Amino acid sequence: GEDVEQSLFLSVREGDSSVINCTYTDSSSTYLYWYKQEPGAGLQLLTYIFSNMDMKQDQRLTVLLNKKDKHLSLRIADTQTGDSAIYFCAESPYGSSNTGKLIFGQGTTLQVKP
Amino acid sequence: DAGITQSPRHKVTETGTPVTLRCHQTENHRYMYWYRQDPGHGLRLIHYSYGVKDTDKGEVSDGYSVSRSKTEDFLLTLESATSSQTSVYFCAIGTGREETQYFGPGTRLLVL
Repeated sequence: GEDVEQSLFLSVREGDSSVINCTYTDSSSTYLYWYKQEPGAGLQLLTYIFSNMDMKQDQRLTVLLNKKDKHLSLRIADTQTGDSAIYFCAESPYGSSNTGKLIFGQGTTLQVKP
Repeated sequence: DAGITQSPRHKVTETGTPVTLRCHQTENHRYMYWYRQDPGHGLRLIHYSYGVKDTDKGEVSDGYSVSRSKTEDFLLTLESATSSQTSVYFCAIGTGREETQYFGPGTRLLVL
């Protein structure tokens, strides 16, 4: 079945780069997503990547996709204390015919130390 | 931000009582979803809707029912709440483009 795995915790110093990793199982996934959840809030869509892309950059965020290894990563450059949050990886496992159902990882808590 | 509201935002109830959570959208999106978030599990899909009166089960649907009589409202009902249903419940709406979803602020439910 579908499964998305993430490490649970990452701690970095302010100004460093953060790399959050994710592995997924469904090779038919059309899109892969990164969501951010701040304490007490809902999930905010950060970025997504189409499965035929290797990389996507959006300001301080870089998403890398290795389809062969089913590995997705999110790099945050110049990490700030405001980036402290839980980051969720998600896949859309059924392709374009699906009803938009997403499978989420457990979330990675990013702690940014001043 | 997508126009999604959830009500109530917090609820405490007793085991065995019925509970209904409401999700309301102002975006006219076709797809709506209910998830629950629990530590160590991320978000798990309970039910979803792909149109008025069109709903289907998700990964963890046991003990839950849903209804969608209008495009803008998606209701989640716990017929007889149990302590295992203590969780944070999120509603999401789907744009149909790039299969992205936008989330509401969540409802914290405590079943005693």
